[in-house]
Amino acid sequence: EAGVTQSPTHLIKTRGQQATLRCSPISGHTSVYWYQQALGLGLQFLLWYDEGEERNRGNFPPRFSGRQFPNYSSELNVNALELEDSALYLCASGPGGYGYTFGSGTRLTVV
Amino acid sequence: LAKTTQPISMDSYEGQEVNITCSHNNIATNDYITWYQQFPSQGPRFIIQGYKTKVTNEVASLFIPADRKSSTLSLPRVSLSDTAVYYCLVGQGYQLIWGAGTKLIIKP
Repeated sequence: EAGVTQSPTHLIKTRGQQATLRCSPISGHTSVYWYQQALGLGLQFLLWYDEGEERNRGNFPPRFSGRQFPNYSSELNVNALELEDSALYLCASGPGGYGYTFGSGTRLTVV
Repeated sequence: LAKTTQPISMDSYEGQEVNITCSHNNIATNDYITWYQQFPSQGPRFIIQGYKTKVTNEVASLFIPADRKSSTLSLPRVSLSDTAVYYCLVGQGYQLIWGAGTKLIIKP
């Protein structure tokens, strides 16, 4: 069974630009969760998508947005990038019998 | 949302048993305790989950005392590849509080 896949692995953007990150959940999972992990810190919940709808969002500004497609894959868009947006962005699907399954993440660097 | 407290870092040696304790004084009646492992630049990986007493799977054991205000993750006979950050989470669902975790370093 394929796990959660994320692309790209690394992304370098200039301050003020937009970044688009992609995630495909485990087959059969309809929910996708996005998290931000700054260097050396724990995960912070960003967004939850289920059945194509945004169900909940964490304490992040509106320039963090996304969508979920009919095949349950998801995009996270970050507009007007700031230096402090540099982080590992993780996508998860689930829950399953073994909690939430995370992808390997996209390392976003804003310069 | 319950907050957890774990040691920032721990060292051990190959072949030893490692115990990482987490305190969660404000755990709610319905909360589960879940541990994840994370390697650098990878997503966290589920290790084990429990509600009370003891849970064991093929990689770890989780000990939870009767008052549930703490829990201990036990890793038997660790190897170098167990070097990682270990997170203790309390609650249900996806919107949990992730602390900085415990950085476990295994030495040869």
